[in-house]
Amino acid sequence: GEDVEQSLFLSVREGDSSVINCTYTDSSSTYLYWYKQEPGAGLQLLTYIFSNMDMKQDQRLTVLLNKKDKHLSLRIADTQTGDSAIYFCAEGDRGSTLGRLYFGRGTQLTVWP
Amino acid sequence: DARVTQTPRDKVTEMGQEVTMRCQPILGHNTVFWYRQTMMQGLELLAYFRNRAPLDDSGMPKDRFSAEMPDATLATLKIQPSEPRDSAVYFCASGTGGTQYFGPGTRLLVL
Repeated sequence: GEDVEQSLFLSVREGDSSVINCTYTDSSSTYLYWYKQEPGAGLQLLTYIFSNMDMKQDQRLTVLLNKKDKHLSLRIADTQTGDSAIYFCAEGDRGSTLGRLYFGRGTQLTVWP
Repeated sequence: DARVTQTPRDKVTEMGQEVTMRCQPILGHNTVFWYRQTMMQGLELLAYFRNRAPLDDSGMPKDRFSAEMPDATLATLKIQPSEPRDSAVYFCASGTGGTQYFGPGTRLLVL
């Protein structure tokens, strides 16, 4: 199957780093994604990583991929109150161009001032 | 700044009524998805299309839900008759080559 698992909640203090973790089952996934959902809004693409990479950095965001353990993480440096949102991990369909994604349940990140 | 648009943004209706939700995908995107989000079930894929052809609608209750793409600029999701358990946020997303871009959603409340 294509199960994607995430912890449901994470709380951090403003200025600290946040690390959101995700595990997936399909080792043939080509892409892995992180989306952010703010209250009352749709899912916003944050970043993605190819399965042949092990790290990607984009400003305050760092994505780490451990293919052996099928583990993906999103690190947010210097977390701000505006980062409070639900973060979804998703894996792409196996090697196909159909574009179907399999989403986790989402991690609610709360940032305390 | 190309975006997926959805209408209406909010809909309140009574049980038994027909509900139609519309989506305009980003121009040039050839894959369109419909999702439903609830607290209990999370994000569920209802149906998706590629080049306007339905690829998979196994996530939809067939007896009451239908999804179509009359043309490349419009996707519709209909519920007839609606039931209180259909209350949710319905998202449309479009993409090409894997990455999906989501619309703002239609918040549906069926009384």
